[in-house]
Amino acid sequence: EAEVAQSPRYKITEKSQAVAFWCDPISGHATLYWYRQILGQGPELLVQFQDESVVDDSQLPKDRFSAERLKGVDSTLKIQPAELGDSAMYLCASSPAWGWNYGYTFGSGTRLTVV
Amino acid sequence: GQNIDQPTEMTATEGAIVQINCTYQTSGFNGLFWYQQHAGEAPTFLSYNVLDGLEEKGRFSSFLSRSKGYSYLLLKELQMKDSASYLCAVRGGGATNKLIFGTGTLLAVQP
Repeated sequence: EAEVAQSPRYKITEKSQAVAFWCDPISGHATLYWYRQILGQGPELLVQFQDESVVDDSQLPKDRFSAERLKGVDSTLKIQPAELGDSAMYLCASSPAWGWNYGYTFGSGTRLTVV
Repeated sequence: GQNIDQPTEMTATEGAIVQINCTYQTSGFNGLFWYQQHAGEAPTFLSYNVLDGLEEKGRFSSFLSRSKGYSYLLLKELQMKDSASYLCAVRGGGATNKLIFGTGTLLAVQP
């Protein structure tokens, strides 16, 4: 079964340091999403790509977060500088097309701890 | 505004039936999803409703009433492995059709 690949699985970083997460969606999936899930809460969308273009980054804290999907395939989410409040699970998801009826397929996520 | 409400926690007994409710108020509606999430893992897709009524999938069923902004997930013949968080998510309108998630209902299945 096709999977969304994410790395690293776990990351511990000190505040003010830079950190990056990588996501490789299911082959052929045009739409890619980065979600942040704080413990005990539901996932919150940070950024959505359609191919290589950003279609929604309204909830992305742009002063410290950046995301790219240069060739419309894999994607990187970066935080610089990291803050204690950034500790969360960062989930990547993909879907075949905009409005796909069967929801998204999520990757295993990256658990970030900022100390 | 966007608002999705679910109970925070529920407890049920192995072999029993449990119903998890979800109410929503969103700007636009293009479908409601239920996901299961075990601790420390990614959400996995359970069900999708876009029209009113009941969708059944084995031990899991999901119901939608668009006029009431209401859905429920019904789990039958509960098993210990069903202990997880259950997330209700709505696809709103707009250009991105993104999924908006509730905070999740943590279900504990007891022997």
